[in-house]
Amino acid sequence: QKEVEQNSGPLSVPEGAIASLNCTYSDRVSQSFFWYRQYSGKSPELIMSIYSNGDKEDGRFTAQLNKASQYVSLLIRDSQPSDSATYLCAVADYGGSQGNLIFGKGTKLSVKP
Amino acid sequence: GAVVSQHPSRVICKSGTSVKIECRSLDFQATTMFWYRQFPKQSLMLMATSNEGSKATYEQGVEKDKFLINHASLTLSTLTVTSAHPEDSSFYICSARVLRQTSTDTQYFGPGTRLTVL
Repeated sequence: QKEVEQNSGPLSVPEGAIASLNCTYSDRVSQSFFWYRQYSGKSPELIMSIYSNGDKEDGRFTAQLNKASQYVSLLIRDSQPSDSATYLCAVADYGGSQGNLIFGKGTKLSVKP
Repeated sequence: GAVVSQHPSRVICKSGTSVKIECRSLDFQATTMFWYRQFPKQSLMLMATSNEGSKATYEQGVEKDKFLINHASLTLSTLTVTSAHPEDSSFYICSARVLRQTSTDTQYFGPGTRLTVL
């Protein structure tokens, strides 16, 4: 059973701080990794994708991938109250149904003003 | 780019009726679309994978005769919930896969359809 694990939270950080979200996955051959943000009552919105080991930065967001440790993380710098949402880690499953995504249960982030 | 639309955004129906949900990729062609369901405070659950011109692949536990999927073109997939019951009330979300030249692909989600069965 291929799994993606996330701490469900809630993770609470003060405004302006760095929020660190973590994710581990079980399938060693996974190659594509994604972070989605989901506001309550809305559908997921893609924030970052990462395919190679190391860091990938986009604005206030940095995704980090370590395939040897089967670990993906998302850092949010200068956190804002508008960042409060559930963050979903997803891993593409090429051994499964035509490249569908396996989602973690999500980490709920709360940024306090 | 990579915009996915869904229609309707919200539907309320009586028990026993059928409901059709449309998912469209607006600015790209999607050979593969996915249908998810999400109950309150739970994660996304993949229901089925839809390929243009072929039968959908359903996940274990999802009744294919109850959730009919049609992917008639490269920009449109439909999900029909037949003989809906209150337990089918949920947030239904589609996504479309964008296949890039590097063979690393990305899924973009539609805004979702909230179904309430009375």
